[in-house]
Amino acid sequence: NAGVTQTPKFQVLKTGQSMTLQCAQDMNHEYMSWYRQDPGMGLRLIHYSVGAGITDQGEVPNGYNVSRSTTEDFPLRLLSAAPSQTSVYFCASRNRGLGANAEAFFGQGTRLTVV
Amino acid sequence: AQSVAQPEDQVNVAEGNPLTVKCTYSVSGNPYLFWYVQYPNRGLQFLLKYITGDNLVKGSYGFEAEFNKSQTSFHLKKPSALVSDSALYFCAVRDWVRDDKIIFGKGTRLHILP
Repeated sequence: NAGVTQTPKFQVLKTGQSMTLQCAQDMNHEYMSWYRQDPGMGLRLIHYSVGAGITDQGEVPNGYNVSRSTTEDFPLRLLSAAPSQTSVYFCASRNRGLGANAEAFFGQGTRLTVV
Repeated sequence: AQSVAQPEDQVNVAEGNPLTVKCTYSVSGNPYLFWYVQYPNRGLQFLLKYITGDNLVKGSYGFEAEFNKSQTSFHLKKPSALVSDSALYFCAVRDWVRDDKIIFGKGTRLHILP
């Protein structure tokens, strides 16, 4: 039972480099999202998706792109990394709609350092 | 817009004493409310949620939380703290009318002193 899988777990980038953080879920959840966690800031929503082909911006979207071509995958792209993007990134998924299964499930995180 | 406030950056409690971690929220519609726990170098683990019904909800590891609509609060409680409860705790809210984002508070670090 894999749940939400994020790769890589750790990454060091140079300023200006690009990379993609991968996120995959095997629970057939429609809703997926990316958060970043910074000390004293809690978790801030970057982008989210309510289904394949549909994405929207969260609280801190600048510098990040997403796409959702399948239900299972929701990659996060950094086009030109900046030191301000040094953070721990979490992917989460959940069911849409109302009801008992309202909570989100999280991956183990990707620790990104931009030098 | 939704928002969550956790007024305490850190809470210290002696082992065996009751603990409370505070959370207040703001949504335009009716709230779904959640508590998550994060242990060092780990992802977030779901503890409990309020959807509707009984204002006192029980969750994992002996934790419970009380929903108070008039005070827009959802405080996390445990009758007797364990050293192993030491972790970072996040409160979160989802507006079930809009059914989109889950917004998190900044987190409260809980230290249980032996």
